[in-house]
Amino acid sequence: NAGVTQTPKFRILKIGQSMTLQCTQDMNHNYMYWYRQDPGMGLKLIYYSVGAGITDKGEVPNGYNVSRSTTEDFPLRLELAAPSQTSVYFCASNFGQSNQPQHFGDGTRLSIL
Amino acid sequence: AQKITQTQPGMFVQEKEAVTLDCTYDTSDPSYGLFWYKQPSSGEMIFLIYQGSYDQQNATEGRYSLNFQKARKSANLVISASQLGDSAMYFCAMREGTGRRALTFGSGTRLQVQP
Repeated sequence: NAGVTQTPKFRILKIGQSMTLQCTQDMNHNYMYWYRQDPGMGLKLIYYSVGAGITDKGEVPNGYNVSRSTTEDFPLRLELAAPSQTSVYFCASNFGQSNQPQHFGDGTRLSIL
Repeated sequence: AQKITQTQPGMFVQEKEAVTLDCTYDTSDPSYGLFWYKQPSSGEMIFLIYQGSYDQQNATEGRYSLNFQKARKSANLVISASQLGDSAMYFCAMREGTGRRALTFGSGTRLQVQP
């Protein structure tokens, strides 16, 4: 199994550009999450989804949008990129039971210049 | 609101010795889970160990054990017989038993194992 796959692994954007970070999981997990990790910090929740068609905001949703049209895919959209969005982005998934660990993708390193 | 505190920005340990990484948490939810993740320099997040709030015994997974003191709201990670490959960032995280089930992370501890 591939687990959680994120693309791209690296990207440089100019201020004001837009892009979509892709996330796909093949474990049939219903819960999916997007986190960002700023240098020297822990991860912070951007958005999450409890199933296809259902999404909700996390701690730091401003400047981002998500959609969940299938169980497998949970893309994160950046509109009008800003330098403050320079970060490493992680997608994760699980079945949602409280004792189940989240499975993480390898991350996308994004720089906004 | 949930909060996770890791007070040790960096730790050093000699190879083959044990090390304890501290984590305290704050929540009003009686049902919660505590997780430890390892992040090596390559950047991926690796799940290490889990402790549930209602678990009677401390969790163990190989060389990893969790010193869970519920009354003190602490969930310290103990790594026994440290290896050079244990050098990494370690994150404590918590998830409530209800609601969005997302993780709240601490700021992490960078562990360096010295030969």
